[in-house]
Parts: sequence; C-alpha cells; structure tokens
Amino acid sequence: KQEVTQIPAALSVPEGENLVLNCSFTDSAIYNLQWFRQDPGKGLTSLLLIQSSQREQTSGRLNASLDKSSGRSTLYIAASQPGDSATYLCAAGGGNTPLVFGKGTRLSVIA
Amino acid sequence: ETGVTQSPTHLIKTRGQQVTLRCSSQSGHNTVSWYQQALGQGPQFIFQYYREEENGRGNFPPRFSGLQFPNYSSELNVNALELDDSALYLCASSQSGRTNEQFFGPGTRLTVL
Repeated sequence: KQEVTQIPAALSVPEGENLVLNCSFTDSAIYNLQWFRQDPGKGLTSLLLIQSSQREQTSGRLNASLDKSSGRSTLYIAASQPGDSATYLCAAGGGNTPLVFGKGTRLSVIA
Repeated sequence: ETGVTQSPTHLIKTRGQQVTLRCSSQSGHNTVSWYQQALGQGPQFIFQYYREEENGRGNFPPRFSGLQFPNYSSELNVNALELDDSALYLCASSQSGRTNEQFFGPGTRLTVL
C-alpha cells in the first residue's frame, strides 16, 4: 500500500529565501509524482507533474525532482514571495491508479 | 477551455440525511475521480469513473456511491450522513492514459450537524 509523507509539516521563511519541500513515498512503482498548491478552503492547483521516466520538471521559480529508486521528490521554490504562502501537497500515482497524497507542508512567507 | 467545476460550493446537512454533489469535467477528459479531504489532512481517494463505469474504489463504505454521465460529468451521493462525513469533497478530471494528469475543481464543503 502506497504511503506518502511530507516533511516539514509547516515552514515559515522570510521573503526572498530559497526553500525545499520534501516528499517521500514507499512504493516506487508509480507513473507520476504530482505537486499541488492549496489555498485555505480552496481546491488544488496542479503545479508540476513528473512522469516516472523523468528526473525533474521546471515552471518559473519552481523546480521539482524525482528519484524513484530512493522514493523521494523535492519541490524547490526560488526567491520566495508572500504570495507563495499556501499548503503544498505531493501525490504519487497516475495511470489507472489513484493519487495517494501526503498531508502537505504549510508554507508561510513573511514580508 | 473550461476547467473542472463543482456544485454546490457549500452545503449543510444533518445526520442521517442524503446528499448529492456534482462535478463537470474539463473539456476532453473522460475520467473523473472523487476525493475526500478532512481538515488538516491530504485528500483521500473515494472512487474513479471511466466511461460511466466505476474504475477503482478507495476504503469508503457502500453508502458512498457515484455516477458518470455520457458527457463525462459525475455525481457523488452519500446516504445516511455521519458527522465524520464533514469534509471538502474534491473532484478531479483527467484523460485516461499513462500520464493521467489530474485537474481538480474548487471542491464542495460539506458540513454535517
């Protein structure tokens, strides 16, 4: 059974800092690793999807990496801004298997 | 391109009642998945529908049921509501296939009193 863990549970940083969010998963037989952003009380916004054959994906100030052999993914946020404050969720799955989510990392960027 | 939409936005019910939540999938998508997100937790998979058939189910009791229509929109029905059913219900649509990137709607906040 797939289990996804995210560390840390919460993070507070000053504006401008670069930061890394961590995600680990127990079953490496995944098709995708997907990172989402969730604002309070809202739905999920897909940030990046890494297919199992890929090592990383980039979008603007965001970079996500995937190491299937070690069961790990990281989300790197460069030059953080107060607007980046949200909960970040990672999910493993894809194909015909459902997404299994971690509990998320709650990020606060202080101006 | 229209994104995933859900209705209603908020809903308040009492224990024992029944509720129906609705989801319209993104244009071109044929698969709909439903998730339940309790406060402070990650979303939990309820079930998935592909071409109007249930195509996988999580650890939820039979009082959680669903439908998918020919236009790929979907409904989630919950009977005999319990207090623990209070949560954000999320619908995600995707195009079946290996990548199967899922796109989520804004969710329906259900409160059971």
